[in-house]
Amino acid sequence: GESVGLHLPTLSVQEGDNSIINCAYSNSASDYFIWYKQESGKGPQFIIDIRSNMDKRQGQRVTVLLNKTVKHLSLQIAATQPGDSAVYFCAEKTKSSYKLIFGSGTRLLVRP
Amino acid sequence: DTGVSQDPRHKITKRGQNVTFRCDPISEHNRLYWYRQTLGQGPEFLTYFQNEAQLEKSRLLSDRFSAERPKGSFSTLEIQRTEQGDSAMYLCASSFSRTGPDTQYFGPGTRLTVL
Repeated sequence: GESVGLHLPTLSVQEGDNSIINCAYSNSASDYFIWYKQESGKGPQFIIDIRSNMDKRQGQRVTVLLNKTVKHLSLQIAATQPGDSAVYFCAEKTKSSYKLIFGSGTRLLVRP
Repeated sequence: DTGVSQDPRHKITKRGQNVTFRCDPISEHNRLYWYRQTLGQGPEFLTYFQNEAQLEKSRLLSDRFSAERPKGSFSTLEIQRTEQGDSAMYLCASSFSRTGPDTQYFGPGTRLTVL
């Protein structure tokens, strides 16, 4: 069946270091992928997205990489800050549906 | 604030009671989605509206759940005869379909606790 999963449930990094959060997906029909950030008690906040016709997209301090060959997605955060501490979800979507399929999330802890 | 808003933010109810949640999407967003999220898990899709039409429903949406979007603007999600297993965060998202990726933007959620 469809699934979006994450390799690491918790990631702890030193402030100022770069963070890499990984995600695996299983549905080869997925053509759109999004990373969300969710802080405690809040709804998911859009970070960055990427379509399947791209393999890299950059935003402010964030980069998403897509490897369709191995069905792998990653989020890179440069110069991680305390405000980046949150749970990060990857999500996927296919052309045939409007729903997002989320993984279970990775908690990012930033040590001062 | 022009983001997605949800009301109430928290709801505590007794088992067997009915509850109704409201979602106001971002202005001019024609697509609206409901998701449910339990602790430590990612959101799970419940249903989707394009304007006032409900176009997709998850198997998670049992017959005790009903959603409406009567005028294509705000939406309500009602749960009848609540059960303890309904305790979760109910999230609403909206998007605008024209061109581009149709990014879904989420509201703050309604936390439901069924005693």
